[in-house]
Amino acid sequence: GAVVSQHPSRVICKSGTSVKIECRSLDFQATTMFWYRQFPKQSLMLMATSNEGSKATYEQGVEKDKFLINHASLTLSTLTVTSAHPEDSSFYICSASPVSGDYNEQFFGPGTRLTVL
Amino acid sequence: GQNIDQPTEMTATEGAIVQINCTYQTSGFNGLFWYQQHAGEAPTFLSYNVLDGLEEKGRFSSFLSRSKGYSYLLLKELQMKDSASYLCAVTDSNYQLIWGAGTKLIIKP
Repeated sequence: GAVVSQHPSRVICKSGTSVKIECRSLDFQATTMFWYRQFPKQSLMLMATSNEGSKATYEQGVEKDKFLINHASLTLSTLTVTSAHPEDSSFYICSASPVSGDYNEQFFGPGTRLTVL
Repeated sequence: GQNIDQPTEMTATEGAIVQINCTYQTSGFNGLFWYQQHAGEAPTFLSYNVLDGLEEKGRFSSFLSRSKGYSYLLLKELQMKDSASYLCAVTDSNYQLIWGAGTKLIIKP
């Protein structure tokens, strides 16, 4: 149980385009979903926390107009990188916390590698 | 500020034992996690400690001392596939996960 999927797993796009990444909890309902990004050889950096039906809470330094997060249901959150630029190239990982159970639990998706040309 | 320290890199020999330390200073404490992350992949959960003591799970064990702000991950009978980064993360009083930078473990034959 507690499986989280992400789609796509890899995406290459041209500078200036927008990219949408989906994060789904497959066998549980997630009150909260988290979006991280990770640059090579660096640790995870939390970008934002999203709760179903409400606006996401962004970490300091993360542009909310550039990284649009929609948590429309208890099993789906999306991250849209708008007007992507090469510096946005990174590994984007989502995680989800179940509605029931320990609030601390986070289950990670497999990640999406974004390359902006 | 909040801070988690762990060594940047460690090297060990196949079949041996290695201990990866993690010290933390956070505003409150609601548990400590260890994750394993292979290059190019998302982290996978290894252990969770919220009370002092040792939690054993197969070849992996995790220890916590809340009074010392200290934890370690112990890996026994090392295998080549254990080569990965090991991330220590602490949940603070606001239930925010604070991540360490990770320890890259290199296993040599």
